[in-house]
Amino acid sequence: DVKVTQSSRYLVKRTGEKVFLECVQDMDHENMFWYRQDPGLGLRLIYFSYDVKMKEKGDIPEGYSVSREKKERFSLILESASTNQTSMYLCASSLGVTGVSYEQYFGPGTRLTVT
Amino acid sequence: GQQVMQIPQYQHVQEGEDFTTYCNSSTTLSNIQWYKQRPGGHPVFLIQLVKSGEVKKQKRLTFQFGEAKKNSSLHITATQTTDVGTYFCAGGRTSYDKVIFGPGTSLSVIP
Repeated sequence: DVKVTQSSRYLVKRTGEKVFLECVQDMDHENMFWYRQDPGLGLRLIYFSYDVKMKEKGDIPEGYSVSREKKERFSLILESASTNQTSMYLCASSLGVTGVSYEQYFGPGTRLTVT
Repeated sequence: GQQVMQIPQYQHVQEGEDFTTYCNSSTTLSNIQWYKQRPGGHPVFLIQLVKSGEVKKQKRLTFQFGEAKKNSSLHITATQTTDVGTYFCAGGRTSYDKVIFGPGTSLSVIP
C-alpha cells in the first residue's frame, strides 16, 4: 500500500513565523503535490514537483515555497506565516508519466492555524 | 483560467434514495478523476475516466464522462450511511499529471 505521511496533524504558529510542512511518500512516485483545502473551495494546488529539485507553481503559490531534495520528500515552506494561511494542507503523490494522469495518494493532512 | 465546477454543493438524502453529483469544466479535459473524502479524512481515489462518453460502474456507483469531455457525473443508487462524505471531481490537464479539483459535493445520508 502506498503511504504518504505528513509531519504534523495539527500545528499552531504565530504571524510572521517561518513554517515547514514535511511530506514523505514510500512508493517511489515521481510526482508530489501540495494542496490547501478550504470549505467551499475544494483543493487548490499550491506547488507540485515532477522530479527531484524540479518544481512548478500551482494555482495559488503566493506566500509559499517548496523544496524537494530527495525523491521521497517534499516540503512546503511558509516564509512568513499570515492568518490567511490558516487552512488544511494536504500532500499527495502519484506516478509520473508525461501526459498521463495517475491517481493521487493523499496524506492525512496538516491543519495549520496561524494566530 | 481553467475552472471545474460541481453541483450541488450539499445534498441531504434519506437512506435508500439515489444521489447524483455533476461536474463541469470550462475547457475540454484530458481525463476526469473522482475522489471521496470521509468526514475527518483525506481524499481517496475512486476512479478515472479517459474516453469520451465513457461509463464505468463500481457496485452502486456509476460514473460518466461526457461526449465533449467537459462534464462528468457520479450517480449513487440506493444510498447507504457509508456513502456519507464529500465527493470531488478532478479534471486532468494535459501535462505533468496535474488535475484541477472541483469544490466538491457534500453528501449526508439520513438513516
